[in-house]
Amino acid sequence: EDKVVQSPLSLVVHEGDTVTLNCSYEVTNFRSLLWYKQEKKAPTFLFMLTSSGIEKKSGRLSSILDKKELFSILNITATQTGDSAIYLCAVPPSNTNAGKSTFGDGTTLTVKP
Amino acid sequence: GAVVSQHPSRVICKSGTSVKIECRSLDFQATTMFWYRQFPKQSLMLMATSNEGSKATYEQGVEKDKFLINHASLTLSTLTVTSAHPEDSSFYICSARAPDGFNSYNSPLHFGNGTRLTVT
Repeated sequence: EDKVVQSPLSLVVHEGDTVTLNCSYEVTNFRSLLWYKQEKKAPTFLFMLTSSGIEKKSGRLSSILDKKELFSILNITATQTGDSAIYLCAVPPSNTNAGKSTFGDGTTLTVKP
Repeated sequence: GAVVSQHPSRVICKSGTSVKIECRSLDFQATTMFWYRQFPKQSLMLMATSNEGSKATYEQGVEKDKFLINHASLTLSTLTVTSAHPEDSSFYICSARAPDGFNSYNSPLHFGNGTRLTVT
């Protein structure tokens, strides 16, 4: 069974700090890894990573995948209070459109003013 | 972009009553939708996979007679919490994967805004 482990489970920082969120995975047939951000309601898609060593970047957020060591990190620089959210890491089903994704337990990030 | 609409956003009901939650894909067809339950500051817990035109697939430990799922069309799945009790109070959220050409299984999930259920 596919497995996704995120760490830390929770993190409290102050505005301006840089944070690194971790996601390790064990899957039978790796296709990609996705990061989502969930504030109060629906999770929203951040990044999809398929290749090792290629950084995806969006503003202050960036993410990279290491397929050899089976992990991904999500970096947030110069954090703001609006970055406070649950960050979810997930791997899609191995080979079927109908299959379920496997989610990690999430990292709850709190950014204090 | 793909939009998933979930309704209602909030519902309060009395113990023993049933509550229906709707999940619609607004601009794409979804043969499969997913229903999750989420506790405060925790990740999504998959309850079941809703399959259009066939029975839902429930995760271990989820009572199928209590959480009835119907996926009667390619754009609508419903979750009915039957004979609700206070312990069913939670945040319920649905998702669907919009087709993305060849690699549909790889495309991101699109989530509804969730339903906050409170059973008194």
